[in-house]
Amino acid sequence: EAQVTQNPRYLITVTGKKLTVTCSQNMNHEYMSWYRQDPGLGLRQIYYSMNVEVTDKGDVPEGYKVSRKEKRNFPLILESPSPNQTSLYFCASSPTEIYEQYFGPGTRLTVT
Amino acid sequence: EDQVTQSPEALRLQEGESSSLNCSYTVSGLRGLFWYRQDPGKGPEFLFTLYSAGEEKEKERLKATLTKKESFLHITAPKPEDSATYLCAVQALNTNAGKSTFGDGTTLTVKP
Repeated sequence: EAQVTQNPRYLITVTGKKLTVTCSQNMNHEYMSWYRQDPGLGLRQIYYSMNVEVTDKGDVPEGYKVSRKEKRNFPLILESPSPNQTSLYFCASSPTEIYEQYFGPGTRLTVT
Repeated sequence: EDQVTQSPEALRLQEGESSSLNCSYTVSGLRGLFWYRQDPGKGPEFLFTLYSAGEEKEKERLKATLTKKESFLHITAPKPEDSATYLCAVQALNTNAGKSTFGDGTTLTVKP
């Protein structure tokens, strides 16, 4: 089954404790993105990647890191999480830049 | 800066009562406009892609149209299962491929 998977689905952590949210797609897509979704602010793009080792900042990259060492994986790293990073996070992939995006199920992160 | 504004924020309809959702966008050149449906607690699901003014796409009770400044998602004779949040997104020609800007969405509730 073609899909985007994210792990973990739910995470509660404390301020400053480094964490990684994994994202994997099995569709051989070139493009991958990370978004955060907050009430009243909609979906905002954090980072995106056009291919292996090629990434770029979205609209809200501060406090996040990404890497794309393999085509199928695009982990999101929070080196020192803060409470304002409490949010619902989505990973997405797309075969090209002008095709629709396929979204993962989401990761609900709470930073206390 | 690319901007996407969706209206109304929320829409309540009776089953069978047709209506339209609006997505106004500001970009220097449009690469593509996308409509997604999002159910509570889930990732967005792709509905339509529109590329140029005058283009229309249909799927069951939904029809998407595009002008140079806005897109409409027309819902004909909606059913309760059409209740969801509908998201509009744009990709612009003047930005790096892969960058997407989403609107805040319209939450549609269809009462039986």
